[in-house]
Amino acid sequence: AQKVTQAQTEISVVEKEDVTLDCVYETRDTTYYLFWYKQPPSGELVFLIRRNSFDEQNEISGRYSWNFQKSTSSFNFTITASQVVDSAVYFCALSEASGGGADGLTFGKGTHLIIQP
Amino acid sequence: DAGVIQSPRHEVTEMGQEVTLRCKPISGHNSLFWYRQTMMRGLELLIYFNNNVPIDDSGMPEDRFSAKMPNASFSTLKIQPSEPRDSAVYFCASSSRRSNTEAFFGQGTRLTVV
Repeated sequence: AQKVTQAQTEISVVEKEDVTLDCVYETRDTTYYLFWYKQPPSGELVFLIRRNSFDEQNEISGRYSWNFQKSTSSFNFTITASQVVDSAVYFCALSEASGGGADGLTFGKGTHLIIQP
Repeated sequence: DAGVIQSPRHEVTEMGQEVTLRCKPISGHNSLFWYRQTMMRGLELLIYFNNNVPIDDSGMPEDRFSAKMPNASFSTLKIQPSEPRDSAVYFCASSSRRSNTEAFFGQGTRLTVV
C-alpha cells in the first residue's frame, strides 16, 4: 500500500525566511510519480511539480526548489525568501507510474504554511 | 480551456435527501477522478474512470455513494440518502493518460448536510 507522510502539520515563519516542507513516502512500486500541490485559502488545488522515480535531479523554479532522495524516500520542498502569498496548505502526493497520475493520487495530510508579514 | 468545471460550488441539503455533484473534465482528457476532502481524513480518492469506465471504486465509502460517467465530457457523483458525515469538499480532477499529464483539479463542491 502507498503512504505519504507530512509530519509538519503547521509551520509559521516570518516573511523572507526560507522554509522547507518535508514529505516521506512509502511504496512497493519501483516506478512511481511524486507531486506537490498548493491549496490557497480560496480552496482550489494548484499543481506545482511532478517527478518520476527515475529522475532524482533536484529542481528549481524561481523561489521554489525540490529535493528528491530515493535513499530516504523523501521529496522535500523548499521556499526561499518566503512571501505572504505563499501562505497555503501544501500537499505531497504519490501515484503509481502507469499513468503519471492517471491511477489516482495518494495524498499526505498537508502542511499548513503561514507566512507572517 | 476552461479547466475542470464542477457544479454546484456549494450545496446545503437536509439529511436523507439525494445529492448530485457534477463534473465536466478538460476536453481530451480520458481519466477522471473524484476526491473528497475532510478535516479528519484529508484528501481521499473515491473513484476514478479511464475512458468512461470505472477502474477503481474502492474508495467509495458505502453503497449510498455512486458515480457515473455516461460520456467523455460529463460525470456525476450521487449520494442517496445523504448524512451529516458526508459533509466535505468534493473535488473532481481529470488527466490524460495518453499524454501522461498530471491531474488538474476543479474548484470543488462544498457539501453541507444538515
